[in-house]
Amino acid sequence: GAGVSQTPSNKVTEKGKYVELRCDPISGHTALYWYRQSLGQGPEFLIYFQGTGAADDSGLPNDRFFAVRPEGSVSTLKIQRTERGDSAVYLCASSLSIQTVNTGELFFGEGSRLTVL
Amino acid sequence: SQQGEEDPQALSIQEGENATMNCSYKTSINNLQWYRQNSGRGLVHLILIRSNEREKHSGRLRVTLDTSKKSSSLLITASRAADTASYFCATRSNDYKLSFGAGTTVTVRA
Repeated sequence: GAGVSQTPSNKVTEKGKYVELRCDPISGHTALYWYRQSLGQGPEFLIYFQGTGAADDSGLPNDRFFAVRPEGSVSTLKIQRTERGDSAVYLCASSLSIQTVNTGELFFGEGSRLTVL
Repeated sequence: SQQGEEDPQALSIQEGENATMNCSYKTSINNLQWYRQNSGRGLVHLILIRSNEREKHSGRLRVTLDTSKKSSSLLITASRAADTASYFCATRSNDYKLSFGAGTTVTVRA
């Protein structure tokens, strides 16, 4: 597509439930990133993929969070046993390649706003 | 953890005035980028400056980088109401992650 697409745009769930957030990156972009943004804060890095593999998942807060990108395009962020503290906007971004160290502009989606009641 | 810190946290200016915001970071970088975020929207890339560059211009934007002080500044000249947004600096190191600061919220009054 023309830009990074994220669904759903809004998700309200109850504490303890399972949630999936989807990201469809720009066609041809091999690098894909997930960030989390709390109100009034900057984006906080969660994980990035180069192709199908998670190149760095050091930002995932705990083992309730998991992300996949099975075919090197669409990615899904999965959150198990959601907690109220997981409420935030989850942003996805893509770029041509993580190898472009001296360029590497990220293209962001509009985000998925997660509210855990 | 966030690498960059923007200063000030918030800025209110009159249309036509210049807006300046600063970013400080902690570790060595390959490049530094500035992004804009309108309320409730995603981030949009504005400008990138490499670690071996000192100044860069793009339209009404001017970015400086001082690697010895680990700091950068973003200047928006002749501001417009449409420039009202949050502005974030982001640093890229060898680990390929882009680390963002907490942002500066700019309000341009008509």
